[in-house]
Amino acid sequence: EAGVTQFPSHSVIEKGQTVTLRCDPISGHDNLYWYRRVMGKEIKFLLHFVKESKQDESGMPNNRFLAERTGGTYSTLKVQPAELEDSGVYFCASSQDRAGGRREKLFFGSGTQLSVL
Amino acid sequence: GNSVTQMEGPVTLSEEAFLTINCTYTATGYPSLFWYVQYPGEGLQLLLKATKADDKGSNKGFEATYRKETTSFHLEKGSVQVSDSAVYFCALSDQTGANNLFFGTGTRLTVIP
Repeated sequence: EAGVTQFPSHSVIEKGQTVTLRCDPISGHDNLYWYRRVMGKEIKFLLHFVKESKQDESGMPNNRFLAERTGGTYSTLKVQPAELEDSGVYFCASSQDRAGGRREKLFFGSGTQLSVL
Repeated sequence: GNSVTQMEGPVTLSEEAFLTINCTYTATGYPSLFWYVQYPGEGLQLLLKATKADDKGSNKGFEATYRKETTSFHLEKGSVQVSDSAVYFCALSDQTGANNLFFGTGTRLTVIP
């Protein structure tokens, strides 16, 4: 079974440009999460999809970030325009829902290293 | 609010040395506690977890005990191997059962032969 896959693995762009990151969750996982680790600091939650709906986007830093999950399958995270402080590693994770409302463990992708110059 | 404070790295040890990576947390209620590991070129993997006070999580020779009185979840291994070289993250999730995790800053461990 394929794990969570993220593309690209690395992206180097200039300040002001646009970048789109993609995440393919494990097939059948309704829950999809985006996290990021900036400048070697802690990994921080960005947002959570349940199928195609945004369940919680409280961690999105500002309106330069737009996440979508059309059809409830893969998700994209667009940064437009990118700023220097957006550099970091962006992780995607997915999980299934378990009976009783609790969720199973998260499966993480290997991340996208974004460098904004 | 929820937060995790983790031992600063990097940590370099010789093979077969004893490892401790300290982790303390701040949370409301009764969180679940986790250690995740990221090996080079790979995604985060759950290493072990504990869901209530005094629980001990263990896996691959690593252990951590949920200490509510000291709000700690220190990671230990009695004898590290070169293959344990990775970045280790302590994390918590709150009692709502959601999977929104709060992570520490990560500790890079390098084990030399």
